[in-house]
Amino acid sequence: AQRVTQPEKLLSVFKGAPVELKCNYSYSGSPELFWYVQYSRQRLQLLLRHISRESIKGFTADLNKGETSFHLKKPFAQEEDSAMYYCAHGSSNTGKLIFGQGTTLQVKP
Amino acid sequence: DTAVSQTPKYLVTQMGNDKSIKCEQNLGHDTMYWYKQDSKKFLKIMFSYNNKELIINETVPNRFSPKSPDKAHLNLHINSLELGDSAVYFCASSQRELDGYTFGSGTRLTVV
Repeated sequence: AQRVTQPEKLLSVFKGAPVELKCNYSYSGSPELFWYVQYSRQRLQLLLRHISRESIKGFTADLNKGETSFHLKKPFAQEEDSAMYYCAHGSSNTGKLIFGQGTTLQVKP
Repeated sequence: DTAVSQTPKYLVTQMGNDKSIKCEQNLGHDTMYWYKQDSKKFLKIMFSYNNKELIINETVPNRFSPKSPDKAHLNLHINSLELGDSAVYFCASSQRELDGYTFGSGTRLTVV
């Protein structure tokens, strides 16, 4: 079954500290993975996807098929990074984009 | 120019009522979706339409009926509203399935 797990509901760090938001998926086929971000009172927006291998706002995420993970990382957190982050997994078989439970990132000054 | 717009933004209604939420996208995307975000912020897909055709219909009570008059619109009609229907409903669109989704700003439905 297609599933996405974000084990942390809340991650609290100080400004300038490294951040890693965990995401694990379960799927036997070829995964398509995404990170979405929802800032306070704003709409959900695409942050990055694994196929583009890009860095957005200093965030990167590497797909690790061996560990079935797609953790989101940033070396130095900024206060404006505080938001809810969702990992999402898409399947071309089902056509569905399944979201994890979300992790709230709180960056303290 | 909002890419995906939903109306209304807020909806407070009594149990048993019937209500609709409208969604329109001006991106020329072929696929549109409805997601429900519950009180724990968990996002779950409800429906998806590709060029007016129903593609995904998750285990959703049949009180919920999506309607797509054209590929730019996907409305959600809910009959006999229940307390448990209270949530934020998000509309989204994408050019292809599993492309990056563009989300609307959400409709916060409160059933009292």
